Amino acid sequence: DQQVKQNSPSLSVQEGRISILNCDYTNSMFDYFLWYKKYPAEGPTFLISISSIKDKNEDGRFTVFLNKSAKHLSLHIVPSQPGDSAVYFCAASARPTDSWGKLQFGAGTQVVVTP
Amino acid sequence: DTGVSQDPRHKITKRGQNVTFRCDPISEHNRLYWYRQTLGQGPEFLTYFQNEAQLEKSRLLSDRFSAERPKGSFSTLEIQRTEQGDSAMYLCASSHQDRGYEQYFGPGTRLTVT
Repeated sequence: DQQVKQNSPSLSVQEGRISILNCDYTNSMFDYFLWYKKYPAEGPTFLISISSIKDKNEDGRFTVFLNKSAKHLSLHIVPSQPGDSAVYFCAASARPTDSWGKLQFGAGTQVVVTP
Repeated sequence: DTGVSQDPRHKITKRGQNVTFRCDPISEHNRLYWYRQTLGQGPEFLTYFQNEAQLEKSRLLSDRFSAERPKGSFSTLEIQRTEQGDSAMYLCASSHQDRGYEQYFGPGTRLTVT
């Protein structure tokens, strides 16, 4: 069963505009959420994360929002740049600590930033 | 460079053959993870190690799959009697125990079973 869902397989955005990527989850035990970015022929790269005790985390151009009641998170990229063109994966992890390694990933969203 | 490395990057094998992949984690990381990724999907968890101990295995890891991390450093993933359904990208990641959710991935090994 797919516990982490990214329902938009692709997103096209103009350079300089905002990219908004969405992710939904079903497992209420998830308490840590991450976004990874993947270029072709490379492994995923950690981008930003958020704990369930927060509703927002910001790192430069990247901001992640968490709505626990809706079991929804989003990643905002402002402003979008051509180098942001990649596949973005949403991932989630649940406690207890000895299972903290089992990330569950969504299917990914392909972002294309056009000039 | 002290990133996660994987070898080989590509492997083509015939159905029924055995294959083995190697992963070298970031040296100071004591956790090591294996994932499998198929086309159009995100990585799926297979197993992970803390030091040399294998702490969790997914039900995806059938008895044809075995993973080892004998000295708590590099790890190998072996697939016996490969099937066409095993064709996928096999990703290795590592992390520090205290920040297990921040995993650093290698470039992956792409397996094609013909």
